[in-house]
Amino acid sequence: GENVEQHPSTLSVQEGDSAVIKCTYSDSASNYFPWYKQELGKGPQLIIDIRSNVGEKKDQRIAVTLNKTAKHFSLHITETQPEDSAVYFCAASVLRGGKLIFGQGTELSVKP
Amino acid sequence: GAVVSQHPSWVICKSGTSVKIECRSLDFQATTMFWYRQFPKQSLMLMATSNEGSKATYEQGVEKDKFLINHASLTLSTLTVTSAHPEDSSFYICSARRLAGGDNEQFFGPGTRLTVL
Repeated sequence: GENVEQHPSTLSVQEGDSAVIKCTYSDSASNYFPWYKQELGKGPQLIIDIRSNVGEKKDQRIAVTLNKTAKHFSLHITETQPEDSAVYFCAASVLRGGKLIFGQGTELSVKP
Repeated sequence: GAVVSQHPSWVICKSGTSVKIECRSLDFQATTMFWYRQFPKQSLMLMATSNEGSKATYEQGVEKDKFLINHASLTLSTLTVTSAHPEDSSFYICSARRLAGGDNEQFFGPGTRLTVL
């Protein structure tokens, strides 16, 4: 079945720096790749997503890139702020709204 | 719009009792809802996929007789943890799929913290 690997497990950056989180997936049929932010004790919130027919997508300080050949996708957060501190999960699905397979999560800490 | 609620937000029960968790899509109809379980410092693991009016599809390793799922309407799915034991203590999260304009999007609830004593 599908497997999603996420790295790093923890990431600490200074406020204003960039943060990059990387994921790889195993199922070549996957074509939808969302990223979620989860704060302590809360459910995950979608922050950005990308489909396989697009190589890059950007929304203000957040961007996602996809390399379908290598089965890699990455989350880029620029000009990090303390409120960006949370656990971030990547996921993969065969279709948008379908069964999601999550990565292991990255605990991001942004130090003021 | 596209809000998913869960009730209760937290529950403490004694070992051997059953606990029901509700998942509601407040402003849209959800033909499909998903149930996830998350242990501390771990990722979300899909337990089952719930389709309105039909039996849930459980992931490998999830006991269907222990985790009863009912999706009786387009806005409500329930998860009942039967004969709960301390190892069932976890964060249970549901999500609901909204069909919009031929596209699908999945929205997550806020989660339910279950503690079994």
